[in-house]
Amino acid sequence: GAVVSQHPSRVICKSGTSVKIECRSLDFQATTMFWYRQFPKKSLMLMATSNEGSKATYEQGVEKDKFLINHASLTLSTLTVTSAHPEDSSFYICSAFVVETQYFGPGTRLLVL
Amino acid sequence: AQSVTQLGSHVSVSEGALVLLRCNYSSSVPPYLFWYVQYPNQGLQLLLKYTSAATLVKGINDFEAEFKKSETSFHLTKPSAHMSDAAEYFCAVSKTGANNLFFGTGTRLTVIP
Repeated sequence: GAVVSQHPSRVICKSGTSVKIECRSLDFQATTMFWYRQFPKKSLMLMATSNEGSKATYEQGVEKDKFLINHASLTLSTLTVTSAHPEDSSFYICSAFVVETQYFGPGTRLLVL
Repeated sequence: AQSVTQLGSHVSVSEGALVLLRCNYSSSVPPYLFWYVQYPNQGLQLLLKYTSAATLVKGINDFEAEFKKSETSFHLTKPSAHMSDAAEYFCAVSKTGANNLFFGTGTRLTVIP
C-alpha cells in the first residue's frame, strides 16, 4: 500500500526558533498533500492544503506566515513552524492524496519549551 | 457546515465480542463518510468509506459500517474483536470526497483478553 513518512517523529525546540517537518510519499506521487494538527483528545484539524508547484491554501484561522508550507516536488511537502512558541506544541500529521484516498503519515510531535 | 460526533472516547470489549463504535454526522449535502484506524506510533489507515453507493460498506479486517440517513449515523461494527484491533478509530465526513475531511475526536478501543 501507499506509504507516507514524516520526519522527525519527535522534536523539542526552544521558543523563538523555527522547526521544519518533512512529509514524503515513499512509493507514489501526490500533487496534493494535507497538513493537520491534533490536540490531545481532540479531532484532527486541517491546517492547510499543499499543492505541488503552487501556494498552499490555508484554513481559516491558520497563520500562513507562521506555518510555512512548501510542496516543491510530487513526493515532498514541508511544514515550517516559524518563531515557535509553547502554544505551537502539538501533534502534526500530514497526508498525501491519490486515487480518491488520503494516506497519512505517522505524525510529528512538537514540544516548544 | 459539516461535523462528526463520536460517542464514547473509550470503548472496551472482550476478545471475541461484538465491536460497535458510534459515529453521527451533520452535513448539508449527501456526505462521503470514512472510518480510519490509528495504531500506536503509526499513521491513520483507511478502514472503509461510503460514497453514496451501497449503504452497507465492508472494509478491511472484517469491519463494516452502515450508512443510515434517517439517523445520520455511520456506526462501525465488527462481529468478533481481536486483540490486534486495539487502536484509535476516527470517523470523518466530507461533502466533496476524500480531499476535504472533517474528523471526529476519535474512539480508543481496548480489547480485553
